[in-house]
Amino acid sequence: EPEVTQTPSHQVTQMGQEVILRCVPISNHLYFYWYRQILGQKVEFLVSFYNNEISEKSEIFDDQFSVERPDGSNFTLKIRSTKLEDSAMYFCASRGRGELFFGEGSRLTVL
Amino acid sequence: ILNVEQSPQSLHVQEGDSTNFTCSFPSSNFYALHWYRWETAKSPEALFVMTLNGDEKKKGRISATLNTKEGYSYLYIKGSQPEDSATYLCAMRGGTSYGKLTFGQGTILTVHP
Repeated sequence: EPEVTQTPSHQVTQMGQEVILRCVPISNHLYFYWYRQILGQKVEFLVSFYNNEISEKSEIFDDQFSVERPDGSNFTLKIRSTKLEDSAMYFCASRGRGELFFGEGSRLTVL
Repeated sequence: ILNVEQSPQSLHVQEGDSTNFTCSFPSSNFYALHWYRWETAKSPEALFVMTLNGDEKKKGRISATLNTKEGYSYLYIKGSQPEDSATYLCAMRGGTSYGKLTFGQGTILTVHP
């Protein structure tokens, strides 16, 4: 069964460094999303992406965050200058048949 | 600000018990209610998507109901098995078919053999 894949599964970085999290959505899906879960908190929406542009973003998704679909298959989330509070599990999702299909997540630890 | 709440936060049951948990959400601007099953180190697995008041959906021993007028959904598991142990997340989609999901905090279910 097709699935959403994410890399890396875990990344440790120093505060202030740039991080890129990668996702390969399900191939015929058109809507893509990033969510995150800070430990002990609810899963929260970051951004949605359709037709090569952001369709909605949360107030968390500030100028330090960006998304792109560079080659028609990968969907990336970039954090330009990481902060301690960016430590979280980041989930990519793509939408098909009315459902969101999630990847296994990328755990980001900022030291 | 949309607030989705789940209860209880965690639940311990014995194998064979039936159990249920609750998701409450604001009834205004409702589009759909999603239930996910999430095992540690795996991706959240979609269980149900419900849109209409009174919807009831079933998958094996798991079923769910939806009341959009009063803003709640119940998830039922009949005859719990140890492999049902997971976090069960509900999420509301407001406004449009492609809108974002707003999640509850999840119910952690542990089924003891």
